[in-house]
Amino acid sequence: QSVLTQPPSVSGAPGQRVTISCTGTSSNIGAGFDVNWYQQLPGTAPKLLIYGNTNRPSGVPDRFSASRSDTSASLAITGLQAEDEADYYCQSSDNRVTGSKMFGGGTKLTVL
Amino acid sequence: EVQMVESGGDLQQPGGSLRLSCVASGFTFSSHALSWVRRAPGKGLEWVSSISGSGDNTYYADSVRGRFTISRDNSKNTLFLQMNDVRAEDTALYYCAKERGYHGSGKDYYYMDVWGKGTTVTVSS
Repeated sequence: QSVLTQPPSVSGAPGQRVTISCTGTSSNIGAGFDVNWYQQLPGTAPKLLIYGNTNRPSGVPDRFSASRSDTSASLAITGLQAEDEADYYCQSSDNRVTGSKMFGGGTKLTVL
Repeated sequence: EVQMVESGGDLQQPGGSLRLSCVASGFTFSSHALSWVRRAPGKGLEWVSSISGSGDNTYYADSVRGRFTISRDNSKNTLFLQMNDVRAEDTALYYCAKERGYHGSGKDYYYMDVWGKGTTVTVSS
């Protein structure tokens, strides 16, 4: 069981907006550690989607955005496209063990 | 082009050992921390271990601490993961990832900006 909790699945029709939540605790997100998001398309390696809570690397469409507050974070995808169907993971760190990292359990996005 | 290429994955019996390698190119290797992340069949991503750019600092997930050892050879742009006493639950696709760091609000933050394609480890008798 992951320390960062994500919904196992979300779905939406093309063109719609979906959000994926990532709930942590006072020892990780709540302790001020930044949240990163990764996208893993079927059969491929994970890809960085968002870093530092809200920043998009170059090449990531602005349809992807994220926010963070208190002990949780959220990824939003607008204008949903078929190629967005993938697994999405949040990732942060924890102050209980120096240098530790953790991923959320992952959310499978299905484009209807 | 920045690239990470893993190798060394294999079928191993429980209790055995494996050594994974990851050769990097396209960036100043010694300037970046690196991580191993795995994905077991039907499961999500799991952080395994990280190492600082110099190799002086290493970090491990509880699930592998005491069994796995991360190391690097900066002269050969290569990252390693020595896996000892492997268990069935170590079966997974293992990825190496390059990290980028930044400092803010009194903390150091890292994210994994480049990933390899992975190497498969299967532990079974």
